[in-house]
Amino acid sequence: GDSVTQMEGPVTLSEEAFLTINCTYTATGYPSLFWYVQYPGEGLQLLLKATKADDKGSNKGFEATYRKETTSFHLEKGSVQVSDSAVYFCALTSGTYKYIFGTGTRLKVLA
Amino acid sequence: EAQVTQNPRYLITVTGKKLTVTCSQNMNHEYMSWYRQDPGLGLRQIYYSMNVEVTDKGDVPEGYKVSRKEKRNFPLILESPSPNQTSLYFCASSLMVAYNEQFFGPGTRLTVL
Repeated sequence: GDSVTQMEGPVTLSEEAFLTINCTYTATGYPSLFWYVQYPGEGLQLLLKATKADDKGSNKGFEATYRKETTSFHLEKGSVQVSDSAVYFCALTSGTYKYIFGTGTRLKVLA
Repeated sequence: EAQVTQNPRYLITVTGKKLTVTCSQNMNHEYMSWYRQDPGLGLRQIYYSMNVEVTDKGDVPEGYKVSRKEKRNFPLILESPSPNQTSLYFCASSLMVAYNEQFFGPGTRLTVL
C-alpha cells in the first residue's frame, strides 16, 4: 500500500541555519504531496503542496519539489527562525480517498 | 471564520463507557476524516467520509464508529473505549480529497483509564 517515510527527529538547528527534512514515498498512480506543520498545542495546517511531478511548492520561505524519479518531496528552508520550531509532517493522497501521513519530524531552532 | 471545531478538547474516561467526540465544519466541505496521533506513529486515519451517508474505513478503524447524517457534522463514537485508545484525535475536512488541503480541528486529547 501507499506509504510515507520521513527522517527521524528531533532536528536541532541554530537560527539562520539551512534546513532539510527528507521525505520519500511509495504510491500507486500519481499522488499529490503535502507538507503540514503542527505548532505546540494546535492542529495541523498546510505548509505547501505539489500535485504533479516537478512541481515546486513554496510558502513562508519553505520549498519542496515533487521528484517522481526519486519518489521524494524533501522540505527545505534557507534560513530558519526560532518561530519555525514545530513538528513537520509529509503526507500524500492518491485516488483512493485515503490520506497517508509520515511519522513527523520535530524541529527545534535555538536563538 | 472558516473552521473545524471539536468537542470536547480534553476527556478522561474509564474503560467501557461509551463516548462521542463531535466534529463540525462550516466550509461546506464534502470530505471529512478522523485521525489519531500517537508518538512515533504520526497521524493515522481512522475513518473518512466522501459525503453525507458515505463513509469508509481508514487504516485503524477497529473500536471506532462514525456517522455522517449532515454535511457539516462527523462524530466519532467509541462504543466501549479501552486504554489503547488513549490518544490525541483530530478531525479534518476538505473540499475533495485529491489536490486540496485538509483543514484540521484543534484536537481532542482522550485518556481511557
